[in-house]
Amino acid sequence: DTEVTQTPKHLVMGMTNKKSLKCEQHMGHRAMYWYKQKAKKPPELMFVYSYEKLSINESVPSRFSPECPNSSLLNLHLHALQPEDSALYLCASKETSGSEQFFGPGTRLTVL
Amino acid sequence: KQEVTQIPAALSVPEGENLVLNCSFTDSAIYNLQWFRQDPGKGLTSLLLIQSSQREQTSGRLNASLDKSSGRSTLYIAASQPGDSATYLCAGGTEGAQKLVFGQGTRLTINP
Repeated sequence: DTEVTQTPKHLVMGMTNKKSLKCEQHMGHRAMYWYKQKAKKPPELMFVYSYEKLSINESVPSRFSPECPNSSLLNLHLHALQPEDSALYLCASKETSGSEQFFGPGTRLTVL
Repeated sequence: KQEVTQIPAALSVPEGENLVLNCSFTDSAIYNLQWFRQDPGKGLTSLLLIQSSQREQTSGRLNASLDKSSGRSTLYIAASQPGDSATYLCAGGTEGAQKLVFGQGTRLTINP
């Protein structure tokens, strides 16, 4: 099973809302990632968790708050977002350094 | 700092042709090189991963090569089909392979 799942598939939220994106994998991978992708651009790395600890934060604004409750689950909490934060948010995971990275189908986020 | 470039940005070929997609990178200390395909509005699908110690990898009609000395990787697609139409992204592993640096992608169209 090489599947990364993400929920919800689509999310529309106002600038004052609080919402969360969820990512799950059951491949035993110990590294998990959040990316943001705008139309016709490659994914931009946001956060990396390694062994459930935040190892990389690419200077992401604090209105995005990641959480890794356990080795299979990764959340991204959203608060006071801006319309320019509208994008496809992708989760990925991999087993170890140097191994293949697997992506989920993404959550299409629209901020009104 | 690793930079990855993909040329051309778009490519259109008739069905049945063999084709090559190009990827170049600036830092020869690349950890690995991964090729992905992405369909519109979807997540990334991993196609092939080449470790820095390898020269090539094959999967079905796909063959990817890696030449660290010249800073280049190619993805060869044999006997192209309309279902191969997608955006193809290459990404180089860096920072102990925790991070992937993506190229801008090549948008491939296979015409029936």
